[in-house]
Amino acid sequence: AQRVTQPEKLLSVFKGAPVELKCNYSYSGSPELFWYVQYSRQRLQLLLRHISRESIKGFTADLNKGETSFHLKKPFAQEEDSAMYYCALEETSGSRLTFGEGTQLTVNP
Amino acid sequence: NAGVTQTPKFQVLKTGQSMTLQCAQDMNHNSMYWYRQDPGMGLRLIYYSASEGTTDKGEVPNGYNVSRLNKREFSLRLESAAPSQTSVYFCATRSVVNTEAFFGQGTRLTVV
Repeated sequence: AQRVTQPEKLLSVFKGAPVELKCNYSYSGSPELFWYVQYSRQRLQLLLRHISRESIKGFTADLNKGETSFHLKKPFAQEEDSAMYYCALEETSGSRLTFGEGTQLTVNP
Repeated sequence: NAGVTQTPKFQVLKTGQSMTLQCAQDMNHNSMYWYRQDPGMGLRLIYYSASEGTTDKGEVPNGYNVSRLNKREFSLRLESAAPSQTSVYFCATRSVVNTEAFFGQGTRLTVV
């Protein structure tokens, strides 16, 4: 069965520091991976997906199939980045979308 | 365009009571999902519907039933609520695979 693991429930950094949110997955096929973000009092929304290879709000994520990871990175964190971040995996054979446990990021001034 | 609308926003139930959470979308999406969000456990998939007329179990389906009434609506029913079902429930929709999922605002359910 597919599984997504985010080992850090809480992550706290200072403004301007680099930040990395970890995501590991287990899936026998070729996965499609996403990062979603939930800001305070807002709906969960897509941040980025690996197939697009894009940088959104300064965040990037690289799929490492050897390590089965899809870590989210930003070189200089901002206070407005404080939010709950979820890694998600879509199985290629269907539309099932599985999320990880989430990481609450706090960026301190 | 309302997007994804969930009703109700808040609900308190007594143990053993039943209720249905409603989800409606006006985005003409094929796939619809129900998740529950619990502290430390993230978003767990309860049921999903890849297209109108089909439903499949997710990770935590026990105690729940779903109905894909039509393309727009996907309801989640709790036949006999239990305190363990206290959670925030989210409905989501997607058009096709490998596309963005759009979420409702959530329903905060408390079972006492």
